[in-house]
Amino acid sequence: QKEVEQNSGPLSVPEGAIASLNCTYSDRGSQSFFWYRQYSGKSPELIMFIYSNGDKEDGRFTAQLNKASQYVSLLIRDSQPSDSATYLCAVGRDSGYALNFGKGTSLLVTP
Amino acid sequence: EAQVTQNPRYLITVTGKKLTVTCSQNMNHEYMSWYRQDPGLGLRQIYYSMNVEVTDKGDVPEGYKVSRKEKRNFPLILESPSPNQTSLYFCASSLDGLLREQYFGPGTRLTVT
Repeated sequence: QKEVEQNSGPLSVPEGAIASLNCTYSDRGSQSFFWYRQYSGKSPELIMFIYSNGDKEDGRFTAQLNKASQYVSLLIRDSQPSDSATYLCAVGRDSGYALNFGKGTSLLVTP
Repeated sequence: EAQVTQNPRYLITVTGKKLTVTCSQNMNHEYMSWYRQDPGLGLRQIYYSMNVEVTDKGDVPEGYKVSRKEKRNFPLILESPSPNQTSLYFCASSLDGLLREQYFGPGTRLTVT
């Protein structure tokens, strides 16, 4: 069973701080990695994807990938209360075009 | 407006009564997928489709059927629903199987009594 692990949280950070969300995965053959955001009662929405080792930045979001350590993270700079949501890590399977999702980390940004 | 639509949004039914949840996308996407989301278990993939007439099983396909006769539609069929299929269901679509732009529908909350 290919697993994607996330700390369920809640992770609480003050407004303006950096939020760091982490994810580990078990499938060494995985090549694609995604972060989704899900507000309470809403559907998931894609924030970022990353394929290569290193960092990828998009606005206030930075995804970091370390395939050797089987670790992917999401940094949110200048966190805002509107960033309060559950963040889902998803890992593409090496066997085909499907995704394994983690159970998500709940982030609370306090004013 | 680019979107994925699902119907119905809410459904309460009884064990064994066949039902279909429809999913449609207007983005000309090749890839479509169904997920279920349960507390403590997260989001799990049921089936996906790379293209018309091409479908494949996800993690939890038991008790579900799908068909992809047209590119825009990907219905989820429960031939004989059971209470353990009570869940929140999401349909999603993506331009291709690389999933760099996967859009989710609004969800269908299904209760099987």
